[in-house]
Amino acid sequence: SYVLTQPPSVSVAPGETARLTCVGDNIETRMVHWYQQKPGQAPVVVVYDDSDRPSGIPGRFSGSNSGNTATLTISRVAAGDEADYYCQIWDGPNNRGVFGGGSKLTVL
Amino acid sequence: QVKLVESGGGVVQAGKSLRLSCAASGFGFNNYAMHWVRQAPGKGLEWVALIWYDGSNKFYGDSVRGRFTISRDNSNNTLFLQMSSLSAEDTAVYYCSRGVGSQTFDYWGQGTLVTVSS
Repeated sequence: SYVLTQPPSVSVAPGETARLTCVGDNIETRMVHWYQQKPGQAPVVVVYDDSDRPSGIPGRFSGSNSGNTATLTISRVAAGDEADYYCQIWDGPNNRGVFGGGSKLTVL
Repeated sequence: QVKLVESGGGVVQAGKSLRLSCAASGFGFNNYAMHWVRQAPGKGLEWVALIWYDGSNKFYGDSVRGRFTISRDNSNNTLFLQMSSLSAEDTAVYYCSRGVGSQTFDYWGQGTLVTVSS
């Protein structure tokens, strides 16, 4: 089965750029979606289809996907960005959803 | 606006059954695929099941296949998850979510907690 691997934690200082990675076999052939989840809340999609942003999501959030790694980049990180972030793909051949294990973003 | 409201969670004994519901509003429910996603306490997200917009196809995660059944009532804009043979490993918050495009989960409910006691 297809596996997505995320680092458990990422730390960044306020105002800096956070890069959260999601590794999967030849992931560039998949559409990757990213979700932000704050404590006690439902997830919210922040990037979909590798690099598109839903309305209402700041331009500081961007995504890319190449080779075996998809990346969510958050520029000018603020305290309010502290959350768990999950990558996700739809494994079409096997008709199943796949989530990465999630990365906890800490703003120092 | 799009709204998804889950209900039906609670405490249930191991081996028993439970049915979750998700009431949808604010969009054409019968035009969208719908999913269930769960999250065990302190753990990550796990995809559970998908049902196509018209109910014609259903797919399940490995850990629930054969025990859970997803269904929908398009006349009442409601999604269901029938869960049977529950075990402690099924303890989680269960979210319903709308699937769009390449199965992005673009809207989520607030979740309903299922606790399986042994």
